[in-house]
Amino acid sequence: AQSVTQLGSHVSVSEGALVLLRCNYSSSVPPYLFWYVQYPNQGLQLLLKYTSAATLVKGINGFEAEFKKSETSFHLTKPSAHMSDAAEYFCAVSENAGGTSYGKLTFGQGTILTVHP
Amino acid sequence: DTEVTQTPKHLVMGMTNKKSLKCEQHMGHRAMYWYKQKAKKPPELMFVYSYEKLSINESVPSRFSPECPNSSLLNLHLHALQPEDSALYLCASSQDSSGRYGYTFGSGTRLTVV
Repeated sequence: AQSVTQLGSHVSVSEGALVLLRCNYSSSVPPYLFWYVQYPNQGLQLLLKYTSAATLVKGINGFEAEFKKSETSFHLTKPSAHMSDAAEYFCAVSENAGGTSYGKLTFGQGTILTVHP
Repeated sequence: DTEVTQTPKHLVMGMTNKKSLKCEQHMGHRAMYWYKQKAKKPPELMFVYSYEKLSINESVPSRFSPECPNSSLLNLHLHALQPEDSALYLCASSQDSSGRYGYTFGSGTRLTVV
């Protein structure tokens, strides 16, 4: 089975500060990992994905994430926050063939990012 | 075309009504999904269609009935819903159901059951 834990339901940063959103996963097989962003009353937009290639993944809007197998983590970072980054962020995992949750995308509980001027 | 289009955007229905949600994509994706998202919660998987066949049903009550008429369309038929079914219903698609490619989500249908 697979699961995702996002540490911190709310994160608040100042504009221009580093953004760090934490995600730890559990999977019975090597996972595929994703970060999505959701603005109010909208669907989810894919920020970036890890699919067993490079462990440092660059995404849209200046975000990146590093896959660390030893820590079972996939934290999302951005060097300098913008006001437009304020949204809810979801980490998600799916399992490769052979996993008990093959074909399913499972989301963490989400982290609401607030950016102060 | 890189979008998943969902209609309607908002729907209010009574508990005795029958309504349908529609989802459309023209990216050639062969897997399509329905998710339900309650306020301040993550999306929860309801159904997975792979190559137009239902492959996963997450023990969803029978008052929700999915349909995949062709590779571009996905419907969710609603009947005799309860107020607790009020939520944002999200459709998504992917190149296939392997989970490798991530999903493209629509903007959702906000459903209110009265």
